[in-house]
Amino acid sequence: GAVVSQHPSRVICKSGTSVKIECRSLDFQATTMFWYRQFPKQSLMLMATSNEGSKATYEQGVEKDKFLINHASLTLSTLTVTSAHPEDSSFYICSARSQRGGRETQYFGPGTRLLVL
Amino acid sequence: AQSVTQLDSQVPVFEEAPVELRCNYSSSVSVYLFWYVQYPNQGLQLLLKYLSGSTLVKGINGFEAEFNKSQTSFHLRKPSVHISDTAEYFCAVILTGGGNKLTFGTGTQLKVEL
Repeated sequence: GAVVSQHPSRVICKSGTSVKIECRSLDFQATTMFWYRQFPKQSLMLMATSNEGSKATYEQGVEKDKFLINHASLTLSTLTVTSAHPEDSSFYICSARSQRGGRETQYFGPGTRLLVL
Repeated sequence: AQSVTQLDSQVPVFEEAPVELRCNYSSSVSVYLFWYVQYPNQGLQLLLKYLSGSTLVKGINGFEAEFNKSQTSFHLRKPSVHISDTAEYFCAVILTGGGNKLTFGTGTQLKVEL
């Protein structure tokens, strides 16, 4: 099946620094990618929809200046957590939408665990 | 607004026993329904989905789910579980005409014991 990778798988950073997370679709092109955040024992919450070549669409309550999204190519989207603080510590998951053979399917990456000290 | 409720946060079950993981949704319009599985340190994998047609949907790994419109439920079942089924299971919905955005439940941890 289709594969979506994320890098890094886990990252620890100091408060105030910025962290970039990459999401790649390995064997298909994805015009649309999604970024989710998952707190322990909670559901995945959609943060934003990333569209190749255009600005991301953020969900209500998500600060676009805090969580910068870039979708510069059909196989790569990046999420940058700027000036990270301990409350940004979470599990970040991306997914990529495939439209092969006229069928639309979302494939998920393995997630990135961020810990801000 | 739509929401997804998974009432059971944890379900312990013995190997080869049947299991049902419950999912209820609230929506005033039509929805598409999904079940995903997340193994430790891995991404979400689609188990099955209901878009239209037959209300009984069969998925991978022997799982099936039944869409019940009157009860707004989409419970996941497997007649005989295996140790390898131990994982986190998420129910999700897409509101038709709502931009294809997935809304997830809080997940159910299935723990299969010997």
